[in-house]
Amino acid sequence: GAVVSQHPSWVICKSGTSVKIECRSLDFQATTMFWYRQFPKQSLMLMATSNEGSKATYEQGVEKDKFLINHASLTLSTLTVTSAHPEDSSFYICSASPGQSFNQPQHFGDGTRLSIL
Amino acid sequence: AQSVTQPDIHITVSEGASLELRCNYSYGATPYLFWYVQSPGQGLQLLLKYFSGDTLVQGIKGFEAEFKRSQSSFNLRKPSVHWSDAAEYFCAVAAYNNNDMRFGAGTRLTVKP
Repeated sequence: GAVVSQHPSWVICKSGTSVKIECRSLDFQATTMFWYRQFPKQSLMLMATSNEGSKATYEQGVEKDKFLINHASLTLSTLTVTSAHPEDSSFYICSASPGQSFNQPQHFGDGTRLSIL
Repeated sequence: AQSVTQPDIHITVSEGASLELRCNYSYGATPYLFWYVQSPGQGLQLLLKYFSGDTLVQGIKGFEAEFKRSQSSFNLRKPSVHWSDAAEYFCAVAAYNNNDMRFGAGTRLTVKP
């Protein structure tokens, strides 16, 4: 089946550093990729939607200067948490879809646990 | 905008017993409905989805779900639960041709031996 690889799976870093998370679709071309944030014991909150070659669309309340998303190719999207602080600690999950509508289901990565000290 | 409610935060069932996880959605037109399962520290795996047609949908791992428009529900069922089914289950809804997928709060399933 379709595979989405997310890297790294866990990162711990000091406050003020920037962290890049990669999301790759391994066996299909992902026209659209999604980034979610999940707090402990809570649901997934959509942060942004990115389409290859264009700017990401951010959900209301998500700081686009804080969470930089790049979708430079059909197999790779990156999320960079800039100048991370402890409140940015969370579980970040990406997903990828070969189409732009939900009759092309999303395939999820295994997530990245980000801990900011 | 569409939304999803999962009324049960935590459910405990005995191994071998039947299971039903509830999901209610709110959306003005025909929704796209999904059930995902998440093991601790992992991403989401799609169990099944409903787009149109037969309202009883079969998924992986022996799960099924039934779309009931009159009740705005999409409950997940399994006739006999296995210990490996213990996980967090999320119901999700999306509008047609729209990338805005909304997840419910999740239901944590515990399986007693």
